[in-house]
Amino acid sequence: SYVLTQPPSVSVAPGQTARITCGGDNIGSKTVHWYQQKPGQAPVLVVYDDSDRPSGIPERFSGSNTGNPAILTISRVEAGDEADYYCQVWDSSSDLYVFGAGTKVTVL
Amino acid sequence: QVQLVQSGGEVKRPGASVKVSCKASGYSFSSYGISWVRQAPGQGLEWMGWISPYNGNTKYPQKLQGRATMTTDTSTTTAYMELRTLRSDDTALYYCVRVVGQGSFDIWGQGTMVTVSS
Repeated sequence: SYVLTQPPSVSVAPGQTARITCGGDNIGSKTVHWYQQKPGQAPVLVVYDDSDRPSGIPERFSGSNTGNPAILTISRVEAGDEADYYCQVWDSSSDLYVFGAGTKVTVL
Repeated sequence: QVQLVQSGGEVKRPGASVKVSCKASGYSFSSYGISWVRQAPGQGLEWMGWISPYNGNTKYPQKLQGRATMTTDTSTTTAYMELRTLRSDDTALYYCVRVVGQGSFDIWGQGTMVTVSS
């Protein structure tokens, strides 16, 4: 089955840039989506189709998938960005959806 | 507004079954797939399966084949997820989600906690 690999944790100072990676076999050929989950809350879609943002998501959140790995970038990080972030794809070969294990972003 | 509202928490004995409901509103129910995602305490997200409310087609990961069944009722715009032969490791928060476009999950229910304990 298809596996997505994320770092367990990323730490970043306020105002700096956080980059969260999502690796997988030939991931550039897949469409990657990203979710933010704060404690006690349901996940929220923050980037879809590699690099698009749903309405209401700040421009500080951006995604790219030009190779391995795919990357979620959070610019000008704020304390409120502290959360778990998950990448997700649909694997066409197995016709299944797959999540990465998640990355905990800590704002120092 | 577009929303998914789930049924309340459940406590079950090992070996029992649970059925969770997910009421959709604010959009054309038959036009989008519904998936179920669960999250064990302190763990990550696990995709459990998908159903098309349009034609009832389903797909499940191998791990849950034979134990999970997803259904929909288009007359009430409600999706259901039944999990049988419950085990302690099925204890988790269960979410229904709307599937759009190229497989992103844009709307999430509030979650239903299922606790399996003897």
